[in-house]
Amino acid sequence: DAGVIQSPRHEVTEMGQEVTLRCKPISGHNSLFWYRQTMMRGLELLIYFNNNVPIDDSGMPEDRFSAKMPNASFSTLKIQPSEPRDSAVYFCASSFLGQGEQYFGPGTRLTVT
Amino acid sequence: RKEVEQDPGPFNVPEGATVAFNCTYSNSASQSFFWYRQDCRKEPKLLMSVYSSGNEDGRFTAQLNRASQYISLLIRDSKLSDSATYLCVVNRGAQKLVFGQGTRLTINP
Repeated sequence: DAGVIQSPRHEVTEMGQEVTLRCKPISGHNSLFWYRQTMMRGLELLIYFNNNVPIDDSGMPEDRFSAKMPNASFSTLKIQPSEPRDSAVYFCASSFLGQGEQYFGPGTRLTVT
Repeated sequence: RKEVEQDPGPFNVPEGATVAFNCTYSNSASQSFFWYRQDCRKEPKLLMSVYSSGNEDGRFTAQLNRASQYISLLIRDSKLSDSATYLCVVNRGAQKLVFGQGTRLTINP
């Protein structure tokens, strides 16, 4: 079975550009999570959805970040405009609603110059 | 103070040794607990859940002490393939997982 799929795997962009990260959760999972990982701050939850509805976006750093989940099999995380401090690995994870175990995608390594 | 605290290591141990990691959490309302493993430049993967009664999965044993808010992971007969970063994870409720910074382990031949 396919796991969580993320694209692109690597993204290098210049400051001020818009960046869109994509995620396809595991089929049948109804919860989706976006995380960011840096050396300094570790793994941080940005936002999560249950049944395509955003539940908690308190981890989103600022208004430059937005996330959508238009259907059960697709989500996007957008950064506009991007800044060098946004450089990190962004992970998407999915799970069954109510279960603690989450399954992570391979991540998108974002570098903003 | 971080909500989940781990010794970052690194731990360098010889193959075949037993190694233990500890983790403390600050939110007494935390509901469930996990150990995840993360290889270099890879995604975190669930290693095992941690139950109040303690649980074992092959060479891995996890313990939870709710009174002390303390979680442990024991690896026996360590293998080279156990080299990774081990993340202590706490579910504080409402599906929000809080990850520790991780403990880096290197098994030496």
